[in-house]
Amino acid sequence: DADVTQTPRNRITKTGKRIMLECSQTKGHDRMYWYRQDPGLGLRLIYYSFDVKDINKGEISDGYSVSRQAQAKFSLSLESAIPNQTALYFCATSGGLTDTQYFGPGTRLTVL
Amino acid sequence: DQQVKQNSPSLSVQEGRISILNCDYTNSMFDYFLWYKKYPAEGPTFLISISSIKDKNEDGRFTVFLNKSAKHLSLHIVPSQPGDSAVYFCAASASDPGGGADGLTFGKGTHLIIQP
Repeated sequence: DADVTQTPRNRITKTGKRIMLECSQTKGHDRMYWYRQDPGLGLRLIYYSFDVKDINKGEISDGYSVSRQAQAKFSLSLESAIPNQTALYFCATSGGLTDTQYFGPGTRLTVL
Repeated sequence: DQQVKQNSPSLSVQEGRISILNCDYTNSMFDYFLWYKKYPAEGPTFLISISSIKDKNEDGRFTVFLNKSAKHLSLHIVPSQPGDSAVYFCAASASDPGGGADGLTFGKGTHLIIQP
């Protein structure tokens, strides 16, 4: 079984709809991240969390919110989706200072 | 302004030869550099990293070289194999290998194609 899972894997929605992307991990890591990737671009950080009570904005947090429901779960919400939020979204986890990041398989979101 | 740059969108290499992927950075605060490999429909997977106190790190067929004065790093794959065909992302961190409070800063990626 995968250590970092994301649901759904693909989603098509309409402008103005509320969307939640979910991430779960079995690695026991405290640190979790959400990134987005646009075609031809690298991954950019949206939000990160170092533990359940710690939520921080990343480089491109506008239009997004997150919830850390438990150590293993980190959700990303688009309160009112817009077409330029069409992208590939990745969740990642890290075990701490000396550990790298481990990525989920991604969610492809299309906003019409 | 891009802090991590991969100027070659794609690279084609013959099987068995050496693949060299390049990455430049502008932020002198970066302390760790990482390479990730990504197959279609999968998330990036960690490949190899290097700390700024080193100039070379080797792991099997993969070697990363760091030239701090030039703010340049490269990934060498030798010999190249068909399974190496993927997108390779260069990433950097100003705090720790996990990215710390700023996450990892990624380049745009280089699509490596290994020709049989």
